[in-house]
Amino acid sequence: DVKVTQSSRYLVKRTGEKVFLECVQDMDHENMFWYRQDPGLGLRLIYFSYDVKMKEKGDIPEGYSVSREKKERFSLILESASTNQTSMYLCASSLPLAGGSGNEQFFGPGTRLTVL
Amino acid sequence: KQEVTQIPAALSVPEGENLVLNCSFTDSAIYNLQWFRQDPGKGLTSLLLIQSSQREQTSGRLNASLDKSSGRSTLYIAASQPGDSATYLCAVMDSSYKLIFGSGTRLLVRP
Repeated sequence: DVKVTQSSRYLVKRTGEKVFLECVQDMDHENMFWYRQDPGLGLRLIYFSYDVKMKEKGDIPEGYSVSREKKERFSLILESASTNQTSMYLCASSLPLAGGSGNEQFFGPGTRLTVL
Repeated sequence: KQEVTQIPAALSVPEGENLVLNCSFTDSAIYNLQWFRQDPGKGLTSLLLIQSSQREQTSGRLNASLDKSSGRSTLYIAASQPGDSATYLCAVMDSSYKLIFGSGTRLLVRP
């Protein structure tokens, strides 16, 4: 089974802090994604990566950056956390579109981040 | 711009009932459609993926259909159980290879 893990289930940070959210997948997937999920707004794509050291902006990249130094690990960075970044953060991974699983995305358990 | 709508927003049924969840999308140019389940405070669990060339997929008591030309998909759950209670999300992969999500249907199966 594909396993996607996230470093923390719950996190509380102060405004202005630098925050790192880590995601690791164990299925050698090329693609990795970061979403946030908010009531009434659904899931929104923040950043994604198709390969090591590659990154692409999603729909709401402002205030975030990412790092992909190794294939299995994709980090989301909040450079200076703000209260409007309080949210559920979800990481996902998949094979490329031409891969055997047809690009099915597998999600981690999520990190509930609260910024005070 | 692709938009995904799920109806109903919430559904409450007695145990044992068969039920249908609906998903519609505005642009038929999709690569695939995926159904997910989400329990409160948890991540998403992939249930079924239908490629754009397929009409349906089945897994156990779940059956998902896709009518790309009309922009519709349904998730059929047979013989519902209290353990099926969760939020069900559908998502389509658009022409830019991004997943666009619906807002979900909250399902409660009463014992």
